[in-house]
Amino acid sequence: EAGVTQFPSHSVIEKGQTVTLRCDPISGHDNLYWYRRVMGKEIKFLLHFVKESKQDESGMPNNRFLAERTGGTYSTLKVQPAELEDSGVYFCASSQVLGTGGFMNTEAFFGQGTRLTVV
Amino acid sequence: ELKVEQNPLFLSMQEGKNYTIYCNYSTTSDRLYWYRQDPGKSLESLFVLLSNGAVKQEGRLMASLDTKARLSTLHITAAVHDLSATYFCAVVRFNTDKLIFGTGTRLQVFP
Repeated sequence: EAGVTQFPSHSVIEKGQTVTLRCDPISGHDNLYWYRRVMGKEIKFLLHFVKESKQDESGMPNNRFLAERTGGTYSTLKVQPAELEDSGVYFCASSQVLGTGGFMNTEAFFGQGTRLTVV
Repeated sequence: ELKVEQNPLFLSMQEGKNYTIYCNYSTTSDRLYWYRQDPGKSLESLFVLLSNGAVKQEGRLMASLDTKARLSTLHITAAVHDLSATYFCAVVRFNTDKLIFGTGTRLQVFP
């Protein structure tokens, strides 16, 4: 079974340009999460989808970031316009939803990340 | 606000030696994870610790959880080069789905 896959693995763009990152979760996983690690710091939560709905987007840094998950399958994270401080590794993770609470009571599986460099 | 502190940030150790990585968190959580990441690869789940006193072992790695002290440890026994990687602890904030990560410990094992 395929794991969580992310595209591209690396992206180098100039300040002011637009970049779109993609995440394909494990089939059947309704939970999808985006995280980011800025160089040398901890991995930080960005947002959480349950199917196509945004459950929690409290970690999104600002309105230059837009996440979508049309149809509840793959997700995209667009940064427009990119700034230097957006550089980092963007991770996607997915998990199953069990029970009625909807919380992550099952293990999340991570993709390999997209390394974004804004120059 | 839930905070997770992990130390050391960097660990260089000789093969055959033992060492411990520490993970402290600031408020109540209902589970704690340890992950391993090799360069350019995904985060691989090593252990999930759910209750006070939980201890799990896999090969040369052993993780434990003390919920009263809000402390988890990852103990490395007789390190080998293959264990070189970055190790993260992460805590799930109670009644949410967010993983709150520590800063990671970059482990290098040399001959």
